[in-house]
Amino acid sequence: QSALTQPASVSGSPGQSITISCTGTSSDIGGFNYVSWYQQHPGKAPKLMIYDVSDRPSGVSNRFSGSKSGNTASLTISGLQAEDEADYYCRSYTSSSTLVFGGGTKLTVL
Amino acid sequence: EVQLVESGGGLVQPGGSLRLSCVASGFTFKSYWMTWVRQAPGKGLEWVANIKEDGSEKYYVDSVKGRFTMSRDNAKNSLYLQMNSLRVEDTAVYYCARGKFSSTYWGQGTLVTVSS
Repeated sequence: QSALTQPASVSGSPGQSITISCTGTSSDIGGFNYVSWYQQHPGKAPKLMIYDVSDRPSGVSNRFSGSKSGNTASLTISGLQAEDEADYYCRSYTSSSTLVFGGGTKLTVL
Repeated sequence: EVQLVESGGGLVQPGGSLRLSCVASGFTFKSYWMTWVRQAPGKGLEWVANIKEDGSEKYYVDSVKGRFTMSRDNAKNSLYLQMNSLRVEDTAVYYCARGKFSSTYWGQGTLVTVSS
């Protein structure tokens, strides 16, 4: 049950696009289309942004999109805004019927 | 409105026990898998366990197997996490969340501190 691998930090200027990667194995990301992404602001509970690799829950901005290729999933945020500054976590279902998170990525909006 | 409210956190000595509760409202509790996720101070999220709608299946992260037991009472719309043999490294905010593969709704969390 090793954590998925995410970059520790990414940054971008307002209006730009950024992509956060999340790398796993064929036993988790590569084996299932159950990757989800969460946004967490300091002191707050996580918020679901993307589920089932690329679906967006109602109410989440279409500036957020998800994709997957092989054992790597990606979250792209376009038209970066100040309020997007937060920690982002990926999560995947695994072949052991468990779930595993990535280590988290701190997004800084310059 | 969907609400998840955790309780039961607190300070406990290493080796001690604690029982967390999560009361759900605003949705048909018995129709959803439920999940516990924790976050150590200043650290990332860690999936802890989940439980099937009827309680017949439960899965745990390796680090808590044999020490933590997840259960639910659908008549009371309640979820539980019995934590035994607690270790310093179990110190975290514990969140309950709805869903199996993804978690749309989360509680506000309850802090568990394991320290002598």
